[in-house]
Amino acid sequence: SQTIHQWPATLVQPVGSPLSLECTVEGTSNPNLYWYRQAAGRGLQLLFYSVGIGQISSEVPQNLSASRPQDRQFILSSKKLLLSDSGFYLCAWSGEGGVTGELFFGEGSRLTVL
Amino acid sequence: SQKIEQNSEALNIQEGKTATLTCNYTNYSPAYLQWYRQDPGRGPVFLLLIRENEKEKRKERLKVTFDTTLKQSLFHITASQPADSATYLCAPGGSYIPTFGRGTSLIVHP
Repeated sequence: SQTIHQWPATLVQPVGSPLSLECTVEGTSNPNLYWYRQAAGRGLQLLFYSVGIGQISSEVPQNLSASRPQDRQFILSSKKLLLSDSGFYLCAWSGEGGVTGELFFGEGSRLTVL
Repeated sequence: SQKIEQNSEALNIQEGKTATLTCNYTNYSPAYLQWYRQDPGRGPVFLLLIRENEKEKRKERLKVTFDTTLKQSLFHITASQPADSATYLCAPGGSYIPTFGRGTSLIVHP
């Protein structure tokens, strides 16, 4: 069966510090991968998606970046965090080609920037 | 621009009643609409998918309708229980990149 792992689950970072969130998927090949952010009391905002290794599409311009070094690994990074980067970050995957587009989410990473 | 809109106000209902949540979309013609449940501090969990050629889809106490003329999907939970309390999200599926509405919080009172 397919599983998705996301870490760390919680982190507190000072403004200006770097960030790295990691997501891996098991039990599937060539998944579409997604990073979402959910600010407190807000909806899910799509940040990045990837349909293959090294292929990243950005939905929202910001100081975040994403990379996909391996087929089932998706990394969200920042060189310098802002207060506004605080939120709940969710990684998700869907089947290759997005036939149904059904998404499977990880448990999330809660980031607090102080 | 393409939009998915859900009622941002919480829906409060009494246990045993039917909850009805609304999802409206504009500037879209999605082949599918999906519904997810999200509990506090957790990732969303997929519930149901309905295709544009399906008027209605059922799964246990859940029912989803899809009206392409009104550009609307309705999500019903019959015989609601306090355990159904959560935020429910809709999203277009198919060839579109999955963007979500803000979700509607459902609170079922015992």
